Amino acid sequence: EAGVTQFPSHSVIEKGQTVTLRCDPISGHDNLYWYRRVMGKEIKFLLHFVKESKQDESGMPNNRFLAERTGGTYSTLKVQPAELEDSGVYFCASSHQTPSDEQYFGPGTRLTVT
Amino acid sequence: EDQVTQSPEALRLQEGESSSLNCSYTVSGLRGLFWYRQDPGKGPEFLFTLYSAGEEKEKERLKATLTKKESFLHITAPKPEDSATYLCAVKGQAGTALIFGKGTTLSVSS
Repeated sequence: EAGVTQFPSHSVIEKGQTVTLRCDPISGHDNLYWYRRVMGKEIKFLLHFVKESKQDESGMPNNRFLAERTGGTYSTLKVQPAELEDSGVYFCASSHQTPSDEQYFGPGTRLTVT
Repeated sequence: EDQVTQSPEALRLQEGESSSLNCSYTVSGLRGLFWYRQDPGKGPEFLFTLYSAGEEKEKERLKATLTKKESFLHITAPKPEDSATYLCAVKGQAGTALIFGKGTTLSVSS
């Protein structure tokens, strides 16, 4: 069974530019999550999809971040325009049918905003 | 506010030297405590889920235990390949998000 995949693995952009991160969850997992770890801090929740619907987006830092999940399959997270404080590692995770199930994480996308 | 604190931040052990990692938590209505292992440049790898006080789970040299206020990850006779950052996370009644601690970085030397 293929795990959670994320693309790209690393992105370096300038302040003010746009970046789109992609996540492909484990096949059949209805729940998809985005998390972020900034340097020196713990991993923090951004949002949760159930199929194509946003279930909880309480962790999204501001309206420069836009997440979508087309057809309940892969998800994208767009940052527009990027700011220096957006630098960090963005993780995607997925879980099976119930939110109580364990979450399986992808390798992350390291975003550097210069 | 739901919170997770892990200690120590870093731990250096000799191969075969057993020890424990601590995870203290405050959460409204615990719906699960999760342990993950993270290697450099990789995502967290799921290890265990504990749901209620008194529960224990084992996997190879690792054993996780849970009380009403904390969890321990016991490492018995560690090997260099056990070197990694171990993350603790909880899920509370309020939602489905995992709330993570900062982790304990374990280094095991031969």
